[in-house]
Amino acid sequence: KAGVTQTPRYLIKTRGQQVTLSCSPISGHRSVSWYQQTPGQGLQFLFEYFSETQRNKGNFPGRFSGRQFSNSRSEMNVSTLELGDSALYLCASSFGDAGKTQYFGPGTRLLVL
Amino acid sequence: QKEVEQDPGPLSVPEGAIVSLNCTYSNSAFQYFMWYRQYSRKGPELLMYTYSSGNKEDGRFTAQVDKSSKYISLFIRDSQPSDSATYLCAMSVGGGANSKLTFGKGITLSVRP
Repeated sequence: KAGVTQTPRYLIKTRGQQVTLSCSPISGHRSVSWYQQTPGQGLQFLFEYFSETQRNKGNFPGRFSGRQFSNSRSEMNVSTLELGDSALYLCASSFGDAGKTQYFGPGTRLLVL
Repeated sequence: QKEVEQDPGPLSVPEGAIVSLNCTYSNSAFQYFMWYRQYSRKGPELLMYTYSSGNKEDGRFTAQVDKSSKYISLFIRDSQPSDSATYLCAMSVGGGANSKLTFGKGITLSVRP
């Protein structure tokens, strides 16, 4: 069974731009969660989608948004990029209850200049 | 106080050593406990999953949860150079609206041949 895939793997943007990241979960998994990983803060929860509905949200500004499609694929969008948004963005999927076990993709490394 | 605290490391041990990795937490509602391993430039990989208190063994790895002390541990026996990675503890309250994982900041382990 194929794992979680994320595209693109690397991205360079400038301040003020916006970016969209994509995640395809493991086949059959309906929950997709997004995390931001930085050396200073570690892994921080952004939001979780289940059956196209946002079920849980972390403590990030409204510039960070996401959505999930009927095939469970998910996208996250960051508008008006700031230097501090440079990070590894990780997507994780789970079959049902995301709080139990989640399987991560390789991440998208975003650099904001 | 952060919800999950993890020894910052880094940790360097000789091949064959027993490694003990630990996390403490403050939220008594956490019920699901996980250990992830993350190699450089990769996404976290689920290593061990435990529900509530107790021990769980999988090959050279043993996970322990002590809910009364709010303390979890991962033991690695006969450590190998291939175990060199960052280890992250993660925990959650449960599924549904409580589905997010809360992570420790991770500890980088180096196993010297």
